[in-house]
Amino acid sequence: EVQLVQSGAEVKKPGESLKISCKGSGYSFTSYWIGWVRQMPGKGLEWMGIIYPGDSDTKYSPSFQGQVTISADRSISTAYLQWSSLQASDTAMYYCVRGWYYFDYWGQGTLVTVSS
Amino acid sequence: QSALTQPASVSGSPGQSITISCTGTSSDVGAYNYVSWYQQHPGKAPKLMIYEVSNRPSGVFNRFSGSKSGNTASLTISGLQAEDEADYYCSSYTSSSTPNWVFGGGTKLTVL
Repeated sequence: EVQLVQSGAEVKKPGESLKISCKGSGYSFTSYWIGWVRQMPGKGLEWMGIIYPGDSDTKYSPSFQGQVTISADRSISTAYLQWSSLQASDTAMYYCVRGWYYFDYWGQGTLVTVSS
Repeated sequence: QSALTQPASVSGSPGQSITISCTGTSSDVGAYNYVSWYQQHPGKAPKLMIYEVSNRPSGVFNRFSGSKSGNTASLTISGLQAEDEADYYCSSYTSSSTPNWVFGGGTKLTVL
């Protein structure tokens, strides 16, 4: 069974750094792209970026380029999304997804709350 | 990247059919047959319902169907059931500059 299991909810202060994770199982992790999607409270879905764990090729949405970093460790089948300096506007649910033209599996989501 | 345009809400009675539209541009919906649809129940992760305009993943009921004409894609749900009440999002691949994906703003489906 294909699964994407994300790390737990986080509460951070503005200016702090954060790295959340997404562990894939039940398939060849290095053979599928893994993306990240943001959903702000009460809002719609926004595509952030995507990585191919096989060679770490990474692509970012222009809206998120320079704001976040996407990485992957294929030895432990895990993708990451990280921030160097969080802002209150980063408060959202973040989903990891599998796929390229469409996203067939979704993680359960990681809620990130940034508040002073 | 601008979001695709969806109606904010649609409604229908059990057993009826509804259609949700998703309007993009000649750079996304109109350029590629890579439109997908996702269903999201409150507090849950989205679920893929339709991919590549009209294909259903295994396990999705054939009451759900997709189509496209020009820059507008559509999701039709026939034989509405109470459990279909959810938010629905369309998405399209686009490579106007670099590979990118754009989502619609979402449509709240209410089953009356």
